[in-house]
Amino acid sequence: QVQLVESGGGVVQPGRSLRLPCAASGFTFTNYAMHWVRQAPGKGLEWVAVISYDGSDKYYADSVKGRFTISRDNSKNTLFLQMNSLRPEDTAVYYCARARSFGAANSIDYWGQGSLVTVSS
Amino acid sequence: QTVVTQEPSLTVSPGGTVTLTCASSTGAVTNNYYPNWFQQKPGQAPRALIYSTSNRHSWTPARFSGSLLGAKAALTLSGVQPEDEAEFYCLLYHGGTWMFGGGTKLTVL
Repeated sequence: QVQLVESGGGVVQPGRSLRLPCAASGFTFTNYAMHWVRQAPGKGLEWVAVISYDGSDKYYADSVKGRFTISRDNSKNTLFLQMNSLRPEDTAVYYCARARSFGAANSIDYWGQGSLVTVSS
Repeated sequence: QTVVTQEPSLTVSPGGTVTLTCASSTGAVTNNYYPNWFQQKPGQAPRALIYSTSNRHSWTPARFSGSLLGAKAALTLSGVQPEDEAEFYCLLYHGGTWMFGGGTKLTVL
């Protein structure tokens, strides 16, 4: 069965960096694009970024462009989100999610359980 | 700044039918926006229901159906069950990037 497990969350000071990994199993990771989605406490879902199956295409929400980087290591079945210059408004549960197919224009079918990132001094 | 708009809240009686809609500030929603629908219950991760306007995932009950309604994407729930009470989100594709609507809180009462 498809499993997506995020880790690396925690409390970080404004302006600092954090990297979130997402370990994938139960499917052929190299065949699928992957997304990151976040949800601030008590708020709605916000799409963050998507990466194609081979890492050649990446797209970002305007709110994180230039600060966050999505990447993947297909040899380790792992997706990453590098978050730099963090702001209090980046506080959220970050979900890793699988796309329905290999391209970045494919939407989400499976979700992880999320990892909470709190940006606070 | 593109905005995707949903009804903030709707109420439906058990066994009834309700339609949720999803609009884009860029214009009429078409199949090219690949409309998706997700359900989220408190304390849980979201669950995918509908992709590419009207396609159900293998786990999606048949009482959930997606369509285009005028200039919007729509999710219709027929024969609503008490367990359908949840937050529902649409997701639209805008040429490379994706955007969620603000969500509709569905109450079954």
